[in-house]
Amino acid sequence: KNQVEQSPQSLIILEGKNCTLQCNYTVSPFSNLRWYKQDTGRGPVSLTIMTFSENTKSNGRYTATLDADTKQSSLHITASQLSDSASYICVVRGSGGGNKLTFGTGTQLKVEL
Amino acid sequence: GAVVSQHPSRVICKSGTSVKIECRSLDFQATTMFWYRQFPKQSLMLMATSNEGSKATYEQGVEKDKFLINHASLTLSTLTVTSAHPEDSSFYICSARGWSEGRTNEKLFFGSGTQLSVL
Repeated sequence: KNQVEQSPQSLIILEGKNCTLQCNYTVSPFSNLRWYKQDTGRGPVSLTIMTFSENTKSNGRYTATLDADTKQSSLHITASQLSDSASYICVVRGSGGGNKLTFGTGTQLKVEL
Repeated sequence: GAVVSQHPSRVICKSGTSVKIECRSLDFQATTMFWYRQFPKQSLMLMATSNEGSKATYEQGVEKDKFLINHASLTLSTLTVTSAHPEDSSFYICSARGWSEGRTNEKLFFGSGTQLSVL
């Protein structure tokens, strides 16, 4: 069964600090992996998308990595801001069987003063 | 700006009434649209997948007569919650998938969600 597991489930950090969120998946065959940021009561907004051949991609203070061999991805947030408080969701798309998206349960990040 | 527009953002209705939620792709043709349901502090749960011009494919456990999906054009899909009950109260999100010219880049964007509260 295709699964996407994220850790930690929740995280509290001080403003200005860095943090790293993890995503492990079992989806196979693999097509791409996306990280989304979802504010409470809003739809997810795309941060990064990576295919099999890409192992790192940045979007401002967000840097995602992908190791397709170990089926792991991380999202690193640099110099966190209060507005980074949100749920971060890892979504993996398979390349077979209808190209389904498999969602992780998300990491709830809270940035405090 | 938003490339997928979802309306309404919030709706409160009485039990037994039907509610329609619209999802529009604004600057690309969405060959496929997805509808999700999300409970507080939980991940998105796929309800159904619809391809333009064909019947939606529903996930196991989702009643197709309860959640009517129409995808009549490449830019519009609607979800109608029929005879809504309090247990249907949830956050509903659509997403639209399409391709850039030449099918080199896949586009996948989410709507801003609709909070449905059934009294």
